[in-house]
Amino acid sequence: GAVVSQHPSWVICKSGTSVKIECRSLDFQATTMFWYRQFPKQSLMLMATSNEGSKATYEQGVEKDKFLINHASLTLSTLTVTSAHPEDSSFYICSARDLSGWVYEQYFGPGTRLTVT
Amino acid sequence: GIQVEQSPPDLILQEGANSTLRCNFSDSVNNLQWFHQNPWGQLINLFYIPSGTKQNGRLSATTVATERYSLLYISSSQTTDSGVYFCAVVHDMRFGAGTRLTVKP
Repeated sequence: GAVVSQHPSWVICKSGTSVKIECRSLDFQATTMFWYRQFPKQSLMLMATSNEGSKATYEQGVEKDKFLINHASLTLSTLTVTSAHPEDSSFYICSARDLSGWVYEQYFGPGTRLTVT
Repeated sequence: GIQVEQSPPDLILQEGANSTLRCNFSDSVNNLQWFHQNPWGQLINLFYIPSGTKQNGRLSATTVATERYSLLYISSSQTTDSGVYFCAVVHDMRFGAGTRLTVKP
C-alpha cells in the first residue's frame, strides 16, 4: 500500500525559532499533499493544500506567512512553522493523494508532535 | 462547505461486542473515507467508499450517497480496535469530529 513518512516524529523548540517538518510519499507520486493540525481530543483541521510546483492554498484563518509550505517535488512537501510560539504546539499531520488510479484516496503520515517552550 | 457529523461521540464496548458508527454529511458527495486513529496518532485507512458496501475482515462499511450517510460496522471487537474513528469527505478533506471507541477486555 501507499506509504507516507514524516520527519521528525516529534520536536521541541524554543519560542521564536522556526521548525521544518518534511512529508514524503515513499512509493507513489503525489501531485497534491495536505497539511493538518490536530489539538488534543479534537478532529483534524485542514491547514493548507500543497500542489507540486505551485503555491499552496491556505484555509481561512491560517497565516500563510507563519506556516510556510513548499512542495518542491512529486514526493516531498515541507511545512515550516516560523517564529513558533507556545500556541503553535500541536500535532501536525500530512497526507498525500495518489492519483495514478484516478481515485481520490488519501494516505496519511504518522504525524509530528510539536512542542514550543 | 460540506458538514460532516459523526455519532456516537463516545462508545465503550466489551471485547467481542459488535458496533455501528454513523457518519452523516450535509450534501451529496462522491467520495468518502473512514479512518482509524490509533493511540499513537497514526491515521490508518479503513475504507474508501463513495457508495455501496465493502468488507475487510471484521470491519465493513456502507455508504448510501443518495441519503447522505455512511456506516462503519465493527464485529467481534478487540482491544486493539480502540482509538478514534473518523469519516472524511475526501474531495474537501472535511473530517467529522470522530467517534472515540474504547474496547474493554
